[in-house]
Amino acid sequence: NAGVTQTPKFRILKIGQSMTLQCAQDMNHNYMYWYRQDPGMGLKLIYYSVGAGITDKGEVPNGYNVSRSTTEDFPLRLELAAPSQTSVYFCASTGVSDYNEQFFGPGTRLTVL
Amino acid sequence: KNEVEQSPQNLTAQEGEFITINCSYSVGISALHWLQQHPGGGIVSLFMLSSGKKKHGRLIATINIQEKHSSLHITASHPRDSAVYICAVPFGNNDMRFGAGTRLTVKP
Repeated sequence: NAGVTQTPKFRILKIGQSMTLQCAQDMNHNYMYWYRQDPGMGLKLIYYSVGAGITDKGEVPNGYNVSRSTTEDFPLRLELAAPSQTSVYFCASTGVSDYNEQFFGPGTRLTVL
Repeated sequence: KNEVEQSPQNLTAQEGEFITINCSYSVGISALHWLQQHPGGGIVSLFMLSSGKKKHGRLIATINIQEKHSSLHITASHPRDSAVYICAVPFGNNDMRFGAGTRLTVKP
């Protein structure tokens, strides 16, 4: 099993550009999450999904959108990149609920200039 | 105020020392997670516990639900234990709140 995979690993965007961060898992997990990690701060939840076709906002959703058309994939879309979105983004998944072990992807380091 | 507070922020130890990292939280929970973030950035789950104590190798995690406090202990620390250790608690409906992490450096 590849576990949770994320692409790209690194990306530099200009202000106003758009991009999609890809996340996929091959563990047949229902729950998937997107987090951002800023220097010196804890991870913060952006969006989550409890299954295909179901998504909901987390603590910091502004400026992002998600979709979940399949169990495996959970892409995160930035429509108009802003410097405040410079961060490391982690995707994670878990089998049943957030009371079970979360499996994390390797992260995407995004810089918006 | 953060829902999850960790201490210390930074910790430097000599190889072989006993390490303790603390986590306090302000919300009522039924479980708590300890995570390890490697220097390269990858995050792995170490423990999920809802009461008492769990042990995995040289790592021991304890939790006191009444006092809203958990500790992560590392016995006979080794330079390869150098990492950021993060505690996290479920919050509301499918949300998770994370501490800022404790950066541990173990010197040979």
